[in-house]
Amino acid sequence: GAVVSQHPSRVICKSGTSVKIECRSLDFQATTMFWYRQFPKQSLMLMATSNEGSKATYEQGVEKDKFLINHASLTLSTLTVTSAHPEDSSFYICSAQGGTNEKLFFGSGTQLSVL
Amino acid sequence: RKEVEQDPGPFNVPEGATVAFNCTYSNSASQSFFWYRQDCRKEPKLLMSVYSSGNEDGRFTAQLNRASQYISLLIRDSKLSDSATYLCVVVAGGGNKLVFGAGTILRVKS
Repeated sequence: GAVVSQHPSRVICKSGTSVKIECRSLDFQATTMFWYRQFPKQSLMLMATSNEGSKATYEQGVEKDKFLINHASLTLSTLTVTSAHPEDSSFYICSAQGGTNEKLFFGSGTQLSVL
Repeated sequence: RKEVEQDPGPFNVPEGATVAFNCTYSNSASQSFFWYRQDCRKEPKLLMSVYSSGNEDGRFTAQLNRASQYISLLIRDSKLSDSATYLCVVVAGGGNKLVFGAGTILRVKS
């Protein structure tokens, strides 16, 4: 099956630093990528939807200037958490889709811990 | 009201037991429904799609009741390896945005 690679799998950083997470579709072209966040014992919450070559669409309550999403190619999307704070500590996960109604494939997730 | 609601559990069952989870959704325009399985701090994995006619895959049976806006998952002959969090997922009509429930924890014990 299709593979989505996400890295790093785990990152620990100091408060105030920026962290970049990459999501790559390895064997298909992902026209749409989704970024989710999951706090302990809570559901995955969609943060934003990104389509290749256009600006990401952010969900209500998600700060676009804090969570920068770039989807410059059909195989790569990045999420940058800018000026991270302890409350940004969470499990971030991406998913990729080849086209509308195509199956969704998930990356393996990134556990972010901000000290 | 949450878009997708699930009983968080945990459901603690012995091996071999039959267990059922329910999920309700609020958007009557929802078109697609899925059950995903998530192990601790790992990505969700698609377990099965859910159809109005009901569908079965081995020990797993999923049902959809559009009138009542709920989805169910039945697991027969539970195995230790079934222990995980089961996520109910709904896709709103015409879109590709997945909305996840918070998940139901299943623990199967020997």
